[in-house]
Amino acid sequence: GDSVTQMEGPVTLSEEAFLTINCTYTATGYPSLFWYVQYPGEGLQLLLKATKADDKGSNKGFEATYRKETTSFHLEKGSVQVSDSAVYFCALRNNAGNNRKLIWGLGTSLAVNP
Amino acid sequence: GAGVSQSPSNKVTEKGKDVELRCDPISGHTALYWYRQSLGQGLEFLIYFQGNSAPDKSGLPSDRFSAERTGGSVSTLTIQRTQQEDSAVYLCASSVSTGSNYEQYFGPGTRLTVT
Repeated sequence: GDSVTQMEGPVTLSEEAFLTINCTYTATGYPSLFWYVQYPGEGLQLLLKATKADDKGSNKGFEATYRKETTSFHLEKGSVQVSDSAVYFCALRNNAGNNRKLIWGLGTSLAVNP
Repeated sequence: GAGVSQSPSNKVTEKGKDVELRCDPISGHTALYWYRQSLGQGLEFLIYFQGNSAPDKSGLPSDRFSAERTGGSVSTLTIQRTQQEDSAVYLCASSVSTGSNYEQYFGPGTRLTVT
């Protein structure tokens, strides 16, 4: 079945460092791909998405490119801030038939130190 | 406007008791989803509704779990004869529709602890 694998955390970085959180997936067909973020004490929020191969999703300085050849959707940010400290979840949605559910990675905790 | 709300925010119950968890979606959202977030298991899909019908309930773990939605709005997730492995955060989400371009907006969750 469909699945998402993302790098384990926790990840600890200094402010202004470069961030990469790896995410790879297994799915039939052409899934949509998402990154969600959960800030401390808050609910899940959509960070960015891509719905077809080679699409780049971007938001708040974060980017991820849908790479079908490597089945990846790695999250990157050039210069992280303390306020980016959160748990990041990679997810996919396979839109075949009645399938509307999100399949999730386990989450990667990011801590950014000043 | 108001987001997705869930109640209660926390629920502690004894093993064997029944519990009801409630979700109020964003007004006008026709699609509603239930997920469960467990330690070590990540987020798991449970069921989704389009209007009042549930085209996919494949994620419900056992027949102790059921959900309904009435009036195309509020949804209730019921767990009968709770077990300790049911302890988790139960998340509800809603979206305008079920197309891939429609974002799922999540509620704050209900933390269920079964003692």
